[in-house]
Amino acid sequence: DIQMIQSPSSLSASLGDRVTITCRASQTISDYLNWYQQEAGKAPRLLIFAASSLQSRVPSRFSGSGSGTDFTLTISNLQPEDFATYYCQQSYSAPFTFGQGTYLEI
Amino acid sequence: QVQLVQSGAEVKKPGSSVKVSCKASGLRFSDYGIAWVRQAPGQGLEWMGGIIPIFGSSKSAPKFQGRLTITTDESTRTAYMELTTLRADDTALYYCARYDWSLNWFDPWGQGTLVTVSS
Repeated sequence: DIQMIQSPSSLSASLGDRVTITCRASQTISDYLNWYQQEAGKAPRLLIFAASSLQSRVPSRFSGSGSGTDFTLTISNLQPEDFATYYCQQSYSAPFTFGQGTYLEI
Repeated sequence: QVQLVQSGAEVKKPGSSVKVSCKASGLRFSDYGIAWVRQAPGQGLEWMGGIIPIFGSSKSAPKFQGRLTITTDESTRTAYMELTTLRADDTALYYCARYDWSLNWFDPWGQGTLVTVSS
């Protein structure tokens, strides 16, 4: 199985800040990397697919980059609704594994 | 607008089985698949498997093979996930999600079904 390691595991930031979350795959996955946001008590939602493509209705302050084994999710101008847990997921080969999550708190 | 509505919470005994349903609206089964992902209490996300109705094919993560069956009923646009030989560590929130079978992303997700396994 492909292992996905996110860093940091948790992150404190303030409204208006810019934050970056990284995700590293245990083997090359090209750009088969997706990012999800999970607010407390809610189902996850897709933010970014194919490493850098913004899902529809997702604000443009979210962006993704990377290829191969190293990827980043950047959130600019943090808003109150952005404080949540973020997961990366490799979609290169089954089983489609997730990172352990990054908890973003105020 | 795509919406997935799952069946209600279940409490099961160890060794028994559970079957969770996921009814889709605003979605053509011919265009997408349905994936199942679970989340143990306070833990991360774990892909269990998925099905592509148009191909009639499903796949499961190795750790669930032999215990997991994923099916669909296209007439009612409902997907089902059945997990057998339940153990305490199967206690989790089980989600279905629309599954893009070319890029393997999952969105949107159902509201989740809590399955509690306890004697």
